[in-house]
Amino acid sequence: AQSVTQPDIHITVSEGASLELRCNYSYGATPYLFWYVQSPGQGLQLLLKYFSGDTLVQGIKGFEAEFKRSQSSFNLRKPSVHWSDAAEYFCAVVTTSGTYKYIFGTGTRLKVLA
Amino acid sequence: GAGVSQSPSNKVTEKGKDVELRCDPISGHTALYWYRQSLGQGLEFLIYFQGNSAPDKSGLPSDRFSAERTGGSVSTLTIQRTQQEDSAVYLCASSLAGGPVEQYFGPGTRLTVT
Repeated sequence: AQSVTQPDIHITVSEGASLELRCNYSYGATPYLFWYVQSPGQGLQLLLKYFSGDTLVQGIKGFEAEFKRSQSSFNLRKPSVHWSDAAEYFCAVVTTSGTYKYIFGTGTRLKVLA
Repeated sequence: GAGVSQSPSNKVTEKGKDVELRCDPISGHTALYWYRQSLGQGLEFLIYFQGNSAPDKSGLPSDRFSAERTGGSVSTLTIQRTQQEDSAVYLCASSLAGGPVEQYFGPGTRLTVT
């Protein structure tokens, strides 16, 4: 069965430090991969997506993610975190067998220290 | 333009009562999804509507849950005989078409069953 694993429930980083949020997926075919962010009191917002092609994708707010097929990973990175990045981050894979269905990870809550 | 709206934003109900949650998708979006977000559980897919096709109900956790989408627009998620384990945030999302495209999420309805 398809699944998405975000192994880190909570991550704390200092403002200005680099960030990497991990995401591993299990899916037989070429995956469609997404990262969404949920800021406090706000709905989920798309950060970036991967369909095919260049394995390093750029998103909004200075985020990027790298697709590594050999590791079944799609980790999210940011070189310098801002206090406003404190939020919950969700990785998702879209299955294409039958209907299109999003499978989300359990999320990683990011705390940013001033 | 207006985003996805959901009502009510908060709902407190007694165990055993029925509740209806409403979602107004973005105008012109043919696909509509319902998710449940429980603490520490990530987003759980419930149901997916795409155009005039039969909905994918494979995520509904029990027959107490049902949803409809009238006129290809507004959707209502109904939970009958609510249980305490139904307490969660219910999120609605819409997209321009079915498939691996960006979903636009509403702010959610927080349901508390006492």
